[in-house]
Amino acid sequence: GAGVSQSPSNKVTEKGKDVELRCDPISGHTALYWYRQSLGQGLEFLIYFQGNSAPDKSGLPSDRFSAERTGGSVSTLTIQRTQQEDSAVYLCASAGGPVSTDTQYFGPGTRLTVL
Amino acid sequence: AQSVTQLGSHVSVSEGALVLLRCNYSSSVPPYLFWYVQYPNQGLQLLLKYTSAATLVKGINGFEAEFKKSETSFHLTKPSAHMSDAAEYFCAVSATTGANSKLTFGKGITLSVRP
Repeated sequence: GAGVSQSPSNKVTEKGKDVELRCDPISGHTALYWYRQSLGQGLEFLIYFQGNSAPDKSGLPSDRFSAERTGGSVSTLTIQRTQQEDSAVYLCASAGGPVSTDTQYFGPGTRLTVL
Repeated sequence: AQSVTQLGSHVSVSEGALVLLRCNYSSSVPPYLFWYVQYPNQGLQLLLKYTSAATLVKGINGFEAEFKKSETSFHLTKPSAHMSDAAEYFCAVSATTGANSKLTFGKGITLSVRP
C-alpha cells in the first residue's frame, strides 16, 4: 500500500508567521511520530500519538509547537510565530501495523525555511 | 534515558571494500537498536533492527549488524561496498519495542563510495 506522505514538501515562510505541516500515515497504523532534522541538532523526537491515548509531547522545543491527530489518522504539526531556528526538515513516521509493529516508516519530510 | 554515539561524520571507502559504520549506545534498560539509511532527498528507510532476538542481525542490501552488550555497540557492516550505498546512515535506540517506541538517533554518518 501507500507509504507515509507529507505535505507540503517545501515551505518557505517569513519569521513570525504560523505554518501547518501535514502527515498522512500508512492506513491502519496506530502510532504516529514527528521528528525534526536540522544541521545543528541532527534528528530529534518531537511528539508521538498512540491510538486514543494522550500524546507524548516531551520533545516539543517550545509552546509555539503543537500537533494534533484527527480521527486517529492524519496529523498536523503547527508552528506559531516561526523563528529562523525552526528551519529544518520535519519528518513524520507511523508504526503499529499488522506486520512489523515496531518498525517506524518515515515520510519524505517537509523542508521548512524561515526567512 | 538512551543515547547513541556515532563517531565521525563521514566515511569514505572504495567500491568493493568493507563498510564499517560504528555505533555505540547508552541505555538504562535493555535497548532496541536500529539502523536507518537516508538517500539524498529521500526519507529514512529501515536497514535492520535488533529487538532482543539473535545478536547478529541481517538487513536489506547486504548489510548486517552485531549487538555486543559487553561493548555497548551495534556496528553496521557490509562486506563489499557498492556505489549505490552512498547515503547517510543513522543508528537509533529505543527503550521499548512495539509501536510506542520513540527513537533517539545518533548524529548520522555520511558514507561515500569511491569508484
